[in-house]
Amino acid sequence: RKEVEQDPGPFNVPEGATVAFNCTYSNSASQSFFWYRQDCRKEPKLLMSVYSSGNEDGRFTAQLNRASQYISLLIRDSKLSDSATYLCVVNPLSNDYKLSFGAGTTVTVRA
Amino acid sequence: NAGVTQTPKFRVLKTGQSMTLLCAQDMNHEYMYWYRQDPGMGLRLIHYSVGEGTTAKGEVPDGYNVSRLKKQNFLLGLESAAPSQTSVYFCASSRGNIHTGELFFGEGSRLTVL
Repeated sequence: RKEVEQDPGPFNVPEGATVAFNCTYSNSASQSFFWYRQDCRKEPKLLMSVYSSGNEDGRFTAQLNRASQYISLLIRDSKLSDSATYLCVVNPLSNDYKLSFGAGTTVTVRA
Repeated sequence: NAGVTQTPKFRVLKTGQSMTLLCAQDMNHEYMYWYRQDPGMGLRLIHYSVGEGTTAKGEVPDGYNVSRLKKQNFLLGLESAAPSQTSVYFCASSRGNIHTGELFFGEGSRLTVL
C-alpha cells in the first residue's frame, strides 16, 4: 500500500466553482501534513501546511482527519490560475527527513 | 536571489554513460535533497544531506551517488546510466527539519536514457 494516495482526477470545474479533494495516508503516526502545488512542467511549491484544527488561506481550506487518516483541500471561487496539480505531502515520522509525496490531483478550471 | 538552481535542465544519455547533476542554493540552507518524479508516482527521495560533508540514502538510492563538499552545492551522479533512470530530477533545500519548514525546489532536470 502506498504511503500517500490521491485521486489523480482530473477535476474539471468552471470558474467560480468550489472543488474539493482528499488524500489518504497509511501511517497513523504521521506528524506533519502539507499541500504543494505543481504547475505543468514546473517545480512543486508549498501551498499550505495542514494543522490539526484545520486552516484557511484565502480561498483555500485544508482539513485533517486523523481518525480516518486523510487530509482534504477545498478551493472556493476557483480561478483559471488555480489550474495545477496539487500534491499531498506527509511526514511519516517526526524525527526523520523523509517526506512522502502523493502522485497528485489535477485540477483544471475552465472559463 | 536565484534560490535553487539545477544544471543541466535537459540531458540525453546512452545506456552506460555517466553524468553529474549540479544543484546550487543561495539561501544558506543546511538541508538539501534529490528527488525523482515519474508519471503516476509521487516524488521519491534519492539521497539527502543535513549539512556540508554529510550525505544519506533516501528510498531509491541505487544507481546514484551524491556529494556535498560545499554547503551551497549538492551533486547527484549517475555512474552507469540505465533506461530506468529516465525521469525528472528535482533538487530541493530547506532551512531545517522538513516537518517544520517548507522545501524549496529547483526547476528540475529532465534526463532521458536511451
